[in-house]
Amino acid sequence: TQLLEQSPQFLSIQEGENLTVYCNSSSVFSSLQWYRQEPGEGPVLLVTVVTGGEVKKLKRLTFQFGDARKDSSLHITAAQPGDTGLYLCAGVYAGNMLTFGGGTRLMVKP
Amino acid sequence: IAGITQAPTSQILAAGRRMTLRCTQDMRHNAMYWYRQDLGLGLRLIHYSNTAGTTGKGEVPDGYSVSRANTDDFPLTLASAVPSQTSVYFCASSEGWNSYNEQFFGPGTRLTVL
Repeated sequence: TQLLEQSPQFLSIQEGENLTVYCNSSSVFSSLQWYRQEPGEGPVLLVTVVTGGEVKKLKRLTFQFGDARKDSSLHITAAQPGDTGLYLCAGVYAGNMLTFGGGTRLMVKP
Repeated sequence: IAGITQAPTSQILAAGRRMTLRCTQDMRHNAMYWYRQDLGLGLRLIHYSNTAGTTGKGEVPDGYSVSRANTDDFPLTLASAVPSQTSVYFCASSEGWNSYNEQFFGPGTRLTVL
């Protein structure tokens, strides 16, 4: 079993603050994905990072893949209440199989 | 366009009963997956099918079985439910089996086994 550890598990911040979520593993993945999940719905893919050291930006969200392809981070700048949700990282291995981290539940207060 | 539908939305089941969770996709995707989501554990892969007619075991397959008779449907069966199978179950599909194929998730089935 390939394990992914996410931190922090919970994060409650005020609107306008910055935050970083971390995803760490001892295993190497062919790529790593970040998802966002709303209550009562399935996860929705935000981004896939493939190359070690890769940085991708999605508006106020910045995703980075570690040089060794074992870890990743998600940074949100100037968080807004609409960013509230569960953020999940997932490592891709053996074709298209995913192993997920435990998730970070983010609450952004207005 | 419906995407992926799952049924039922929720179910309360007595331990020992047999239960089939249904999953249908209308995107003609080749690959389909079943996950369970428990608090603090993210999603864990139960079974997958990379094409119609073939299935494989994921991370937590014990107590579950699947079939893939056609492209669209991928039912998950609990032969004799136990309380530890209380969870939210998500079905997903992707166009292909390569790592660049995005997985699309259904809305989930909340199952409680008493």
